[in-house]
Amino acid sequence: SYELTQPPSVSVSPGQTASITCSGDTLGDRYVCWYHHRAGQSPVLLIYQDKKRPSGIPERFSGSKSGNTATLTISGTQTLDEADYYCQAWDSSIVVFGGGTKLTVL
Amino acid sequence: QVQLEQSGAEVKKPGASVKVSCKVSGYSLTELPMHWVRQVPGKGLEWMGGFDPEDGETIFAQKFQGRVTVTEDTSTDTAYMDLSSLRSEDTAMYFCAAFLTGGRDYWGQGTLVTVSS
Repeated sequence: SYELTQPPSVSVSPGQTASITCSGDTLGDRYVCWYHHRAGQSPVLLIYQDKKRPSGIPERFSGSKSGNTATLTISGTQTLDEADYYCQAWDSSIVVFGGGTKLTVL
Repeated sequence: QVQLEQSGAEVKKPGASVKVSCKVSGYSLTELPMHWVRQVPGKGLEWMGGFDPEDGETIFAQKFQGRVTVTEDTSTDTAYMDLSSLRSEDTAMYFCAAFLTGGRDYWGQGTLVTVSS
């Protein structure tokens, strides 16, 4: 089965830039989405089609991809950004999530 | 505005079944490719199954095949996910979600299912 790999945790100081990676075989041939999620709440789509932002998502969230690694970048990180972040891609009609990255802002 | 409203929290005994509902408003259920995702406490998001537009059927992750059933009542725009033979490891928050093109995706608020004897 298809797998996406993320670092379990990333730490960043307030106001700095956080980068979260997501890697997978042939990920370069697939679109990647990124989600922000807090336990007990619904996930929020931050990025779709590798780098596009849905309406209402702040510009400080950006996505990129190089080869088989996608990156979510959060500029000017705020304490309210502390959450879990998931990448997601499609394997045919199957939804695949990365294992998630816990972002700590301290 | 599309909204997905899920049923309330459930407590079930091991071996029982649970049925979670997801009522759609602001859109027709027949036009929403519905999926089900869960999060076990302390673990990541896990896709359970969803609508495959290629063949018009709902497909499921291998680990749930044989235990999960998805049905729809188009008269009330409500989707249902039925998970049987519950075990403690099924204690989780269950979400319905619809993934559309163009960055449009919609999630229910989640239904907490607790499996405990």
